[in-house]
Amino acid sequence: ETGVTQSPTHLIKTRGQQVTLRCSSQSGHNTVSWYQQALGQGPQFIFQYYREEENGRGNFPPRFSGLQFPNYSSELNVNALELDDSALYLCASRIQGLETQYFGPGTRLLVL
Amino acid sequence: SQELEQSPQSLIVQEGKNLTINCTSSKTLYGLYWYKQKYGEGLIFLMMLQKGGEEKSHEKITAKLDEKKQQSSLHITASQPSHAGIYLCGADIRYGNKLVFGAGTILRVKS
Repeated sequence: ETGVTQSPTHLIKTRGQQVTLRCSSQSGHNTVSWYQQALGQGPQFIFQYYREEENGRGNFPPRFSGLQFPNYSSELNVNALELDDSALYLCASRIQGLETQYFGPGTRLLVL
Repeated sequence: SQELEQSPQSLIVQEGKNLTINCTSSKTLYGLYWYKQKYGEGLIFLMMLQKGGEEKSHEKITAKLDEKKQQSSLHITASQPSHAGIYLCGADIRYGNKLVFGAGTILRVKS
């Protein structure tokens, strides 16, 4: 148990729809990162939030967006879903200035 | 990711045997992380290495970092069924803790 929780655990959407995934950070962790993990691959960095602002972004289009709230919880929003968006979405939290990231259990998204 | 190459891709070992997983970076490493993942689940942090020559151990798992070669190895001694899973190396190669991961090594331990 890392103390990082994600919801929902699974969901199914159709192409073109929008989805919101949620992450609750480990207590005291002020930095959250989101990763996409396609089947059989390692996680790929989407973006990172610190103090409610985006603090780094990977090679993902603008239809992937996020929010961080004052309590450090976070959301990942994906608009205009595509079939290739089907993946396990992981969030990870840490304390800014400390390196180790702790991952949540992930949300499995299937786009039909 | 081509920035981090893991080998082997998969591994089947007999319970009690030792094994080594390797991770090689094509870029300068600012930190190297090892995680374990059960299929479809989140990542469990194992160890982080930052300095060249650093070696860390936890129970029967030892990780080493060769900064000059930009390589890390994960060694499991006397493997057990509980060691089965996917081992992922992640590296901070752009500084700022945005991790790049290898594709993972699938480990199966036969009883």
